[in-house]
Amino acid sequence: DTGVSQDPRHKITKRGQNVTFRCDPISEHNRLYWYRQTLGQGPEFLTYFQNEAQLEKSRLLSDRFSAERPKGSFSTLEIQRTEQGDSAMYLCASSYFTSRGMSSYNSPLHFGNGTRLTVT
Amino acid sequence: KQEVTQIPAALSVPEGENLVLNCSFTDSAIYNLQWFRQDPGKGLTSLLLIQSSQREQTSGRLNASLDKSSGRSTLYIAASQPGDSATYLCAALDRGSTLGRLYFGRGTQLTVWP
Repeated sequence: DTGVSQDPRHKITKRGQNVTFRCDPISEHNRLYWYRQTLGQGPEFLTYFQNEAQLEKSRLLSDRFSAERPKGSFSTLEIQRTEQGDSAMYLCASSYFTSRGMSSYNSPLHFGNGTRLTVT
Repeated sequence: KQEVTQIPAALSVPEGENLVLNCSFTDSAIYNLQWFRQDPGKGLTSLLLIQSSQREQTSGRLNASLDKSSGRSTLYIAASQPGDSATYLCAALDRGSTLGRLYFGRGTQLTVWP
């Protein structure tokens, strides 16, 4: 299966600890996205990369959060000094984007199964 | 800011019924609209994507329509089955960003009982 994979599936940590999640996108995809989902809500956009460039960040992404995609392949999302409010499902997605002149195309997003973070 | 609303929040029906799930969005300047399925504790599975220039898309028993002028999309599920039980999410991709940000609704939780 060559879908989007995320690791770990579950993470339980104590408040104040740092955590790091990894996402491996579909290999042909040049865009990678991070979303956060809390219970009963739809996913909320955090940030996305095109190749290794981070093109947009949400205001939800406080200075305790940092995301990287150093070689334009896998990505990591780190949360420093975790708080109980950080408990959520962190979802990664990827897509293929291309543009030519005035027209552009973004393929459907493919999501991974997420990393469930619990901060105690 | 784009806001996406889904109605109803939950739906419980007997097997075999035809269903309509509704999605509305506030800003009609969308690039596309995507419908997803999410099973409990899992990620999202893409069901249908409608480009802004299209009116509908079909896949098997699923049909999604898009009316940009009224800011609405519907997902029609024909002959529902217990395996269709899941949460269905719609998401609008804005033209305003660099086509990078999806705005999601809260979803419709569907239960199909035998």
